[in-house]
Amino acid sequence: GENVEQHPSTLSVQEGDSAVIKCTYSDSASNYFPWYKQELGKRPQLIIDIRSNVGEKKDQRIAVTLNKTAKHFSLHITETQPEDSAVYFCAALPGAGKSTFGDGTTLTVKP
Amino acid sequence: GAVVSQHPSWVICKSGTSVKIECRSLDFQATTMFWYRQFPKQSLMLMATSNEGSKATYEQGVEKDKFLINHASLTLSTLTVTSAHPEDSSFYICSARDGSGGKTQYFGPGTRLLVL
Repeated sequence: GENVEQHPSTLSVQEGDSAVIKCTYSDSASNYFPWYKQELGKRPQLIIDIRSNVGEKKDQRIAVTLNKTAKHFSLHITETQPEDSAVYFCAALPGAGKSTFGDGTTLTVKP
Repeated sequence: GAVVSQHPSWVICKSGTSVKIECRSLDFQATTMFWYRQFPKQSLMLMATSNEGSKATYEQGVEKDKFLINHASLTLSTLTVTSAHPEDSSFYICSARDGSGGKTQYFGPGTRLLVL
């Protein structure tokens, strides 16, 4: 089955700096890669996703890049703000199957 | 966007009792729902995949007789923790995928279970 590795597990940045979280996957059949943000005690919320036919997608301060050859995809957050502090999860979905989640990255943005 | 509700949001029960958690898709039909368990500061652990009108598919190591899943309609799936024990205490989260073919999962707010 699919195996997703996420790095780093914790990330601390100064407000205004950029943050990058990287995930690698194993199943070449995976074709959908969402990123979720989860604040403490709350539900994961989709913040951005990318499909395998696209190399990059951007939404304001958030972008995701996908390298199918190397089987990795990354989340980029620019001009970070304290409210970006949360746990971020990547996931990989092969076809119509189930998503496999990374272990999460705890992002702390220091004012 | 799509909304998924979960009820109850938290529950405290005595050891040996059963607890039912409901997951509803409020504005879309969900042919597939997923049940996750999440421990503090850890990732989402998939317990089972629930398909409307058929038996749930359980992940390895998850006892199907202990965690009963029923997906009776396109908008409702239930998870029943039977004969709960303190080690079952956890945060249980459901998610639903739009039956129109979308890949996006929408998560419920979660249910915090404490077994005394």
